[in-house]
Amino acid sequence: SQQGEEDPQALSIQEGENATMNCSYKTSINNLQWYRQNSGRGLVHLILIRSNEREKHSGRLRVTLDTSKKSSSLLITASRAADTASYFCATDERAAGNKLTFGGGTRVLVKP
Amino acid sequence: DAGVTQSPTHLIKTRGQHVTLRCSPISGHKSVSWYQQVLGQGPQFIFQYYEKEERGRGNFPDRFSARQFPNYSSELNVNALLLGDSALYLCASSVDNKWRSQETQYFGPGTRLLVL
Repeated sequence: SQQGEEDPQALSIQEGENATMNCSYKTSINNLQWYRQNSGRGLVHLILIRSNEREKHSGRLRVTLDTSKKSSSLLITASRAADTASYFCATDERAAGNKLTFGGGTRVLVKP
Repeated sequence: DAGVTQSPTHLIKTRGQHVTLRCSPISGHKSVSWYQQVLGQGPQFIFQYYEKEERGRGNFPDRFSARQFPNYSSELNVNALLLGDSALYLCASSVDNKWRSQETQYFGPGTRLLVL
């Protein structure tokens, strides 16, 4: 089963534009993480945000977390062609034990 | 520093066969997790091991098993392969902490398994 559900499933933007994707989840979490995956290979960790945090930044990435709405968003500013990838949110659920639960991902295409 | 390594990179098997996938974590990482990723979907958790003991198990049949060795490397075994086992198998290592929460996972490149 998938805890996190990303929205939209796919996103196409021009280079230089911002890309926003959202993640919703169902149960209480310890933290929420965002990962990037290029061409079906290994995932790369982007940001981890803990349940007591509301916003984190890393370079051109901004992540927000709203635990009352059980949702998170990932914003990529000034996108580049190299940002073309699939983006996944993953939740560390408090009741689920020792595992990360991934969503289905958002496929982002940045056109030059 | 070397990242997480997995072998083999690609594998083709036929239904009913057995497969063993291998993973070496980042040096100093004691926790190893395995995930299955079917094309077009997000990774699904299979197992997590820490200090050679199973710490978590996902919703997979008993045909799937794993173990962790004293050097923290790990093997994933799948018996009686089915067509539906075709997927990218990802290994990830992480630094464990006393709260046992899931910290940043460092993924290997994966093993792509095709079952014919």
